[in-house]
Amino acid sequence: QKEVEQNSGPLSVPEGAIASLNCTYSDRGSQSFFWYRQYSGKSPELIMSIYSNGDKEDGRFTAQLNKASQYVSLLIRDSQPSDSATYLCASKRGSQGNLIFGKGTKLSVKP
Amino acid sequence: GAVVSQHPSRVICKSGTSVKIECRSLDFQATTMFWYRQFPKQSLMLMATSNEGSKATYEQGVEKDKFLINHASLTLSTLTVTSAHPEDSSFYICSATLAGKAYEQYFGPGTRLTVT
Repeated sequence: QKEVEQNSGPLSVPEGAIASLNCTYSDRGSQSFFWYRQYSGKSPELIMSIYSNGDKEDGRFTAQLNKASQYVSLLIRDSQPSDSATYLCASKRGSQGNLIFGKGTKLSVKP
Repeated sequence: GAVVSQHPSRVICKSGTSVKIECRSLDFQATTMFWYRQFPKQSLMLMATSNEGSKATYEQGVEKDKFLINHASLTLSTLTVTSAHPEDSSFYICSATLAGKAYEQYFGPGTRLTVT
């Protein structure tokens, strides 16, 4: 069964620190990976997508992918209280495949 | 760009009635739309995938006669929950992919359904 695993948290970091969110996936056929942010009572919002091994940076966010280890991570630099949310990791097999979501990690950034 | 809307945002209905939820892509044509359900503190569970003009593909365990999906155009898909029961109360979210960018999904704001 294809699965995406995340630590449910909560992960608590002080304001200004780096938050590190991790995700593993079981389907070696997965080709694309996504990080979504979901505020309570709201729908997910796409933050980052990554398709190749290595790092991808976008502002304060860096996604890291290691296909050999089947591992994806998201780093949030200079964390802000507004970053407090649940972060969902998702994988996808090809362009026509469905997104497989993890259960999400709840992040709390303390002022 | 890539804005998806849903209507209504919140609905309360009585047990046994039917509820229709609309999902629209506002500034793009969506080749494929997806319907998810999310229970409290759970992740998103895919219910069905729909392509314009064809029948929806339902995930295992999702009753297609209970959750009717119509994808009449490249910008509109509807989900009708028929004969709703309290256990159908959930957060229903649609998403859409852009033609030519099928790797990324954009989510609507969701519809909170409460069945009394």
